[in-house]
Amino acid sequence: SAVISQKPSRDICQRGTSLTIQCQVDSQVTMMFWYRQQPGQSLTLIATANQGSEATYESGFVIDKFPISRPNLTFSTLTVSNMSPEDSSIYLCSVEIGTGELFFGEGSRLTVL
Amino acid sequence: DAKTTQPNSMESNEEEPVHLPCNHSTISGTDYIHWYRQLPSQGPEYVIHGLTSNVNNRMASLAIAEDRKSSTLILHRATLRDAAVYYCILRPPRPSNTGKLIFGQGTTLQVKP
Repeated sequence: SAVISQKPSRDICQRGTSLTIQCQVDSQVTMMFWYRQQPGQSLTLIATANQGSEATYESGFVIDKFPISRPNLTFSTLTVSNMSPEDSSIYLCSVEIGTGELFFGEGSRLTVL
Repeated sequence: DAKTTQPNSMESNEEEPVHLPCNHSTISGTDYIHWYRQLPSQGPEYVIHGLTSNVNNRMASLAIAEDRKSSTLILHRATLRDAAVYYCILRPPRPSNTGKLIFGQGTTLQVKP
């Protein structure tokens, strides 16, 4: 199993600002994944973050809006840039370990005013 | 990506069995059937997965139809803590499996005391 810690757990931000979300895993993992869950909706994959290379973004998500860092095998950050109220969501970090199970953090709930 | 169809919501009484259905008529021969659940205010957690044969673990059982076009997640004795959104997800095998999970809307399970 894996224990995933995310910071902040929640935040309220002003329009036009940026927020960086941190994800720390208790073991080394090759790939880390960032998901978004908009209010009342299901989860959508934003990007896959590999250590030592640029993140791979899913359709509809771009690096300028959601820059990702992956400095080592246990840590990643996701930045939500130039925020608007439409960015109000829960952002979740996840990792895959062992037999194909994904483990998720508890999420970072972002509200943009 | 093959899609799944689940009822929007279901109700159960505490300590009774619950059968959560999932239809996946376009499943490919190599897709695994995964189930995750999301408790309120938490990230999703892995429940169980299988390919062709029925599977059991400490959390639940997974019954897979012979033609693999449907499956059922079985909670043998529902508790109040099992109230969650249950997602049925199809995953291709590695190495094409990148950790991307395509979440549908899932089934919201209510458990009555």
